[in-house]
This record gives sequence, C-alpha cells and structure tokens, in this order.
Amino acid sequence: DGGITQSPKYLFRKEGQNVTLSCEQNLNHDAMYWYRQDPGQGLRLIYYSQIVNDFQKGDIAEGYSVSREKKESFPLTVTSAQKNPTAFYLCASTKQRAGDEKLFFGSGTQLSVL
Amino acid sequence: GENVEQHPSTLSVQEGDSAVIKCTYSDSASNYFPWYKQELGKRPQLIIDIRSNVGEKKDQRIAVTLNKTAKHFSLHITETQPEDSAVYFCAARPGYALNFGKGTSLLVTP
Repeated sequence: DGGITQSPKYLFRKEGQNVTLSCEQNLNHDAMYWYRQDPGQGLRLIYYSQIVNDFQKGDIAEGYSVSREKKESFPLTVTSAQKNPTAFYLCASTKQRAGDEKLFFGSGTQLSVL
Repeated sequence: GENVEQHPSTLSVQEGDSAVIKCTYSDSASNYFPWYKQELGKRPQLIIDIRSNVGEKKDQRIAVTLNKTAKHFSLHITETQPEDSAVYFCAARPGYALNFGKGTSLLVTP
C-alpha cells in the first residue's frame, strides 16, 4: 500500500480554477485508476489507464482529464467544467494480470471548493 | 456498464454476533469479486476476494460466498469485534476496472 503516493492530502479550488492531483506508484503496476468518493455513494470510476499513453473514461469522466506519460504517474486534473468537485479522490493501481487483480489504493486527496 | 447493488447501507451488531452484507451485480461477464474495508479517513483495504470459478472462500472470521447463477455474493463476518467497525465495499469486475457498491457502515457495539 505504501507504494502509491497521492499529493496533496488536502486541496482547495477557487471558482473557475483547474487543479491537478498527483498520483505516483513504484509497484511496477501496469494499470492505474482514479475514483471519486462521496458520502453514501461508494467509489465511482473517473478514468483508468492500462498502459502508458492510453486511458479510458469511466462512469463520471465529465469535467476531468488525465495523462499517462510514464508508467509510474497518473495525474488527474479537475477542470472548471466540473461544477461539483468537492469529494475524496482515490488513486489506485494493479498488476492487471489474471490471478493478481488486487487493487492497491493511495491515501487519497480531499478536494474542497473555496 | 456493471451495476453493483449493496445491502444494507448500515448494520449494527453486538460484539460476538455475526454480520452479513449482500451484493448483486448485473454483468454476467464479471469474474472477480473483492471486498474492501475502509476505516474513517483511511484508504480502502482488501480483506478478501473470490473469483468466478469458486463458490466460497474463508479466511479466519471472514468468508465470502458467490452464486453466479443468481449474480449475488455475500460477506460473512463471524464473532464480530469492535475493531470490525468500518465501511465495507463490495465490487465486481466485468472488464478492466472494478465497479463498487455504495458501501455498508458496520458498527459493532461492545
């Protein structure tokens, strides 16, 4: 679990501002994910990436963007188009191999709107 | 996409009793079903998982059962302890990403 680092732990966004959440892993995992957690809503998938330079939209991708330029890094940008960004954001990764699907989570970033 | 329903949303038991949480899924292609425990302010942690070719799996006080025909799976915790108090999430994986239920808040009272 200590192999996935999210930063910052807390982030505040002003109206009309884009903010970027960092996620780095040193587990040599192929796949990386971003989930959004709201109270009583479980974890909802924003984006995921199986390999470098490739990513797919999840269930709630609108207002978010990602990049995967390095295997270790999968930053999430919350754009001004996301009108309700206040939530707990969790990054995760997995080896994505049959028999080894365990998902490891980072410690999360709490994003709030000023 | 995959739809995972989880019940109940809250569960309160006395220490030593058993707790059961149930989930259903919609996509018959789902082949991997993990359960995560999340304590307040912490990251989710995998506690047990089961694959589609297995009907039941047990790890000490925790067990999971899977009924592929009915598309439901359950988490059973026996001899509950106060430290079992947390939010529990089920998930199903039809493709390359996990879809999670909305969670069950379990409270174990001494």
